Amino acid sequence: DAGVIQSPRHEVTEMGQEVTLRCKPISGHNSLFWYRQTMMRGLELLIYFNNNVPIDDSGMPEDRFSAKMPNASFSTLKIQPSEPRDSAVYFCASSSIARNEQFFGPGTRLTVL
Amino acid sequence: QKEVEQNSGPLSVPEGAIASLNCTYSDRGSQSFFWYRQYSGKSPELIMSIYSNGDKEDGRFTAQLNKASQYVSLLIRDSQPSDSATYLCAVKDAGGTSYGKLTFGQGTILTVHP
Repeated sequence: DAGVIQSPRHEVTEMGQEVTLRCKPISGHNSLFWYRQTMMRGLELLIYFNNNVPIDDSGMPEDRFSAKMPNASFSTLKIQPSEPRDSAVYFCASSSIARNEQFFGPGTRLTVL
Repeated sequence: QKEVEQNSGPLSVPEGAIASLNCTYSDRGSQSFFWYRQYSGKSPELIMSIYSNGDKEDGRFTAQLNKASQYVSLLIRDSQPSDSATYLCAVKDAGGTSYGKLTFGQGTILTVHP
């Protein structure tokens, strides 16, 4: 079975540019989570969806960040404009309500110059 | 503010020894608990889940849960150098509207030396 798929795996961009990260959850999972991980702050939950509906976006750092889930098999996290402090690894994870076990994608390593 | 606390380590154990990783949590209503392993440069990988008080064994791994003390632990028997990683404790938020949200600890770095 395919796991959580994320793209791109690496992204290098310049300050001020728009960045879009993509995620395909495991088929049949109905909850999707976006995390950011840095050495200083560890693993932070940014936003999560249930049945494609955003439930809690209190972890989104500021208005430059937005996330969408137009259907059950696709989600995006967008940063516009990007800043050097956004450099981190961004993970997407999915789970089913019945089991609550979250499975992580490989992550996107973002570097903003 | 729900909290999950772990000793950041590093915890160093010799090959073949038992590694003991500990975690405490603040949300007394939590019912589901998870251990993830994260190798450097990789994503967190689920290795154990536990829902009831007591021990749960899976191969060389044993998870222990004590809800009264709000304490979860992970024991790794016969530790191998390949077990060297960061171990993350995660606790599912209590409440019916959390939709599976987990609160993660900061992780414990484990090093198994030959």
